[in-house]
Amino acid sequence: ETGVTQSPTHLIKTRGQQVTLRCSSQSGHNTVSWYQQALGQGPQFIFQYYREEENGRGNFPPRFSGLQFPNYSSELNVNALELDDSALYLCASSLASHPNTEAFFGQGTRLTVV
Amino acid sequence: RKEVEQDPGPFNVPEGATVAFNCTYSNSASQSFFWYRQDCRKEPKLLMSVYSSGNEDGRFTAQLNRASQYISLLIRDSKLSDSATYLCVVNGGRDSSYKLIFGSGTRLLVRP
Repeated sequence: ETGVTQSPTHLIKTRGQQVTLRCSSQSGHNTVSWYQQALGQGPQFIFQYYREEENGRGNFPPRFSGLQFPNYSSELNVNALELDDSALYLCASSLASHPNTEAFFGQGTRLTVV
Repeated sequence: RKEVEQDPGPFNVPEGATVAFNCTYSNSASQSFFWYRQDCRKEPKLLMSVYSSGNEDGRFTAQLNRASQYISLLIRDSKLSDSATYLCVVNGGRDSSYKLIFGSGTRLLVRP
C-alpha cells in the first residue's frame, strides 16, 4: 500500500450538487496532486498543492477548487456538478514538487453524478 | 492532437510472449518519462522511469528517443499477472513540470 488514503471510496450525487473529496498524503510528503480519470481514459491533471499553496492548475473550470492543510492532507471541491464529472478522482502525493519525484496514488474516489 | 498518444490495444498474448508498447509525446520540453501500470478499478502505480540511455528492470525494458519524442516498453516472458493497462506518462515541460500527462493507456491481456 502507498500510504495515501482517499475518502469516500464511492459517491453518488445529483446534478447541481456540490461534493468534497478528501486525501491524506503519505507521511512526510508535502505535495498533493489531483487527477480526474474518465472511463477508458488516462488521468487528467486538475491541480497541485505544495505547502498549502496551489502550485499549478490544469484545464478545469473554477468550480473545481481545492485546499491543502498544514498536515498536508487535501480536499477537492466540485460545485454545480455535471453529468460529465462522473469519473474516478485520484490523489497523488510526493515528497516535493519536482518532476522526477515519484508520485504515489491513493485508491481513488469513484464519483457518479446522476 | 493528444499530448501523449498510445495504441489502446488490447494486446492479447500467450504466456511467455514478448510484447512491445509504444508511445509518442508532443511537448519537446518534457523532461521526465515514466511507465505506470493500472489494474482494473485500481490506482496507477509506477512501473519504471524511462531514461535516454534506456533502462531495464527484470523482464521490463524501457527506451526513450528524444529526437523522435517516442517512448517504448518491452515486456519479455509475459506472465498472467502482467495483465493490466500500461500508461505512458510524461511531465509537463519547463513551465509546468509539476504535472504528469498520461496517455489513455494500452491494455494487455496475457492468456494461459
